[in-house]
Amino acid sequence: NAGVTQTPKFQVLKTGQSMTLQCAQDMNHEYMSWYRQDPGMGLRLIHYSVGAGITDQGEVPNGYNVSRSTTEDFPLRLLSAAPSQTSVYFCASSYGPRLAGLTGELFFGEGSRLTVL
Amino acid sequence: AQSVTQLDSHVSVSEGTPVLLRCNYSSSYSPSLFWYVQHPNKGLQLLLKYTSAATLVKGINGFEAEFKKSETSFHLTKPSAHMSDAAEYFCVAVDNYGQNFVFGPGTRLSVLP
Repeated sequence: NAGVTQTPKFQVLKTGQSMTLQCAQDMNHEYMSWYRQDPGMGLRLIHYSVGAGITDQGEVPNGYNVSRSTTEDFPLRLLSAAPSQTSVYFCASSYGPRLAGLTGELFFGEGSRLTVL
Repeated sequence: AQSVTQLDSHVSVSEGTPVLLRCNYSSSYSPSLFWYVQHPNKGLQLLLKYTSAATLVKGINGFEAEFKKSETSFHLTKPSAHMSDAAEYFCVAVDNYGQNFVFGPGTRLSVLP
């Protein structure tokens, strides 16, 4: 059971380049989300999804796009990278609203460290 | 709207002494609450969770937390700190729909020999 898998683990981009961070989970979770973690600021929600075909913005969505075509995958796209997007990105999943009576915790990937020059 | 406050950004204890990491939440309902631990350059791992079954919750590695509704608190404790406990700890709240996860800013725990 792999859990939540993120790729790549490390990436260096130049300003203006685009890229996609991949996230896949094999636990049949409805809820998937992307966070960024910056020193002294904890984790901030970028985008989330409560099921295939449904996405919504979090606290810091600007500069990022997401889509959810399958239950398993939730890629995060940087359209035109900026130095302010240098961060560690975490994907996380959970059971989600349908099993709210058994509200479960978030399961995290190991993170993707992105540097934008 | 929910919010989570962790009162200490950094806590330093000696090995073998008790640990107390404080967390307070603000919510219009009783949320589910979690503590996560993050070791350097690692992902977040669940320590324990409260989902209204019992107010005193035991987690992994000897940690426990007590939910106190009257104080809107969910403080994390451990009787005796170990060097391996040095990490960042996050208190997290989620609404009844299992959808809106709110993170505290984190507390960095240092354990001195």
